[in-house]
Amino acid sequence: KAGVTQTPRYLIKTRGQQVTLSCSPISGHRSVSWYQQTPGQGLQFLFEYFSETQRNKGNFPGRFSGRQFSNSRSEMNVSTLELGDSALYLCASSLRTLSSYEQYFGPGTRLTVT
Amino acid sequence: GENVGLHLPTLSVQEGDNSIINCAYSNSASDYFIWYKQESGKGPQFIIDIRSNMDKRQGQRVTVLLNKTVKHLSLQIAATQPGDSAVYFCAENFSSGSARQLTFGSGTQLTVLP
Repeated sequence: KAGVTQTPRYLIKTRGQQVTLSCSPISGHRSVSWYQQTPGQGLQFLFEYFSETQRNKGNFPGRFSGRQFSNSRSEMNVSTLELGDSALYLCASSLRTLSSYEQYFGPGTRLTVT
Repeated sequence: GENVGLHLPTLSVQEGDNSIINCAYSNSASDYFIWYKQESGKGPQFIIDIRSNMDKRQGQRVTVLLNKTVKHLSLQIAATQPGDSAVYFCAENFSSGSARQLTFGSGTQLTVLP
């Protein structure tokens, strides 16, 4: 099976712009979660989507949003970019059974805001 | 992360020795724990998991121990190899209804010395 893929891998944006990141989960996985990773804050949960519905949301401002399509692919959007949004954005997919929540991570998108 | 922390930020071990990486978690209701390994430039990779109804679980060269009394988790790596050099994260998982979320620790950098 192909792993989780994320596009683009690297991105440079300017403050005030908006950005959309894409994630394709492992085939058959219906859950997609997004995380922000920075040296100072570590790995922080953004949100999770399952069957096109947001199931859970972390403590991030409304500038961060996401969606999931019927084929389980997901996108996340950050509007009005700030310098502090520079981070590695990771996507993880899971089968999301009640008895298991093993997540498989993609390689991430490195976002730099200048 | 805010709720899951590690006792040591860095750990250096001699090749061939055993490594022990510790983690303290905060939510006594967490029922599922995972260890991830993250190599430079890559997303976190699943190593091993354990459910709260277990105290110990073994994988290939790795063992996870769970002490619910003191909310402590450890990862033991036997015969540590150079390829084990990476950042290791523990994560705790709590279920609230149909929602699940992983909270990650800040990570431990493991360096294997030749």
